[in-house]
Amino acid sequence: GAGVSQSPRYKVAKRGQDVALRCDPISGHVSLFWYQQALGQGPEFLTYFQNEAQLDKSGLPSDRFFAERPEGSVSTLKIQRTQQEDSAVYLCASSHRDRTAAEAFFGQGTRLTVV
Amino acid sequence: AQKITQTQPGMFVQEKEAVTLDCTYDTSDQSYGLFWYKQPSSGEMIFLIYQGSYDEQNATEGRYSLNFQKARKSANLVISASQLGDSAMYFCAMREPSPTGGFKTIFGAGTRLFVKA
Repeated sequence: GAGVSQSPRYKVAKRGQDVALRCDPISGHVSLFWYQQALGQGPEFLTYFQNEAQLDKSGLPSDRFFAERPEGSVSTLKIQRTQQEDSAVYLCASSHRDRTAAEAFFGQGTRLTVV
Repeated sequence: AQKITQTQPGMFVQEKEAVTLDCTYDTSDQSYGLFWYKQPSSGEMIFLIYQGSYDEQNATEGRYSLNFQKARKSANLVISASQLGDSAMYFCAMREPSPTGGFKTIFGAGTRLFVKA
């Protein structure tokens, strides 16, 4: 596709439910990032992939959060046993080069509400 | 410790005037990149401008320029000739090498800009 695509756009989950958020990066982009953005705040880094390798997962808030990118393209962020504090917008971004200079293109985000 | 500091939660500017949004950063790396993004109320993150740590000239992109002062670790965004459509949240971000490999990007808390007609 022309840009980074995320699905679903909106997700309402009951507390304790598992959710899976999908990110389709721009074709050929090496780097893929996941961020969590709480209301009124800046995005917080969650994890980073270089192709299929998850090189940095230091931002994942707990072991309930898991991300994968098995074939180096589509990525899934999974949250197990969701809690109310998980409510946020989850942003995915991809870059075509694995260098500091590479611009990251963002998806529209998935707004997760845990009730 | 805060890596990216944006000290202005909100800013007002008159249409057609210039405005400066402040950003300071903290890193011990020599190689890093600084970015500014715009986030309108619709939620998408729009890339505005990039400055590399080794770039000697300040970056410019149309009405956007980045006032890079490396010794002061400052990367302020200047928007010239403000337009009503510039009203949005603006984020300063820094990408630096990650200790575990690859890179990570750290965002500031943002500055909400209001352009007055």
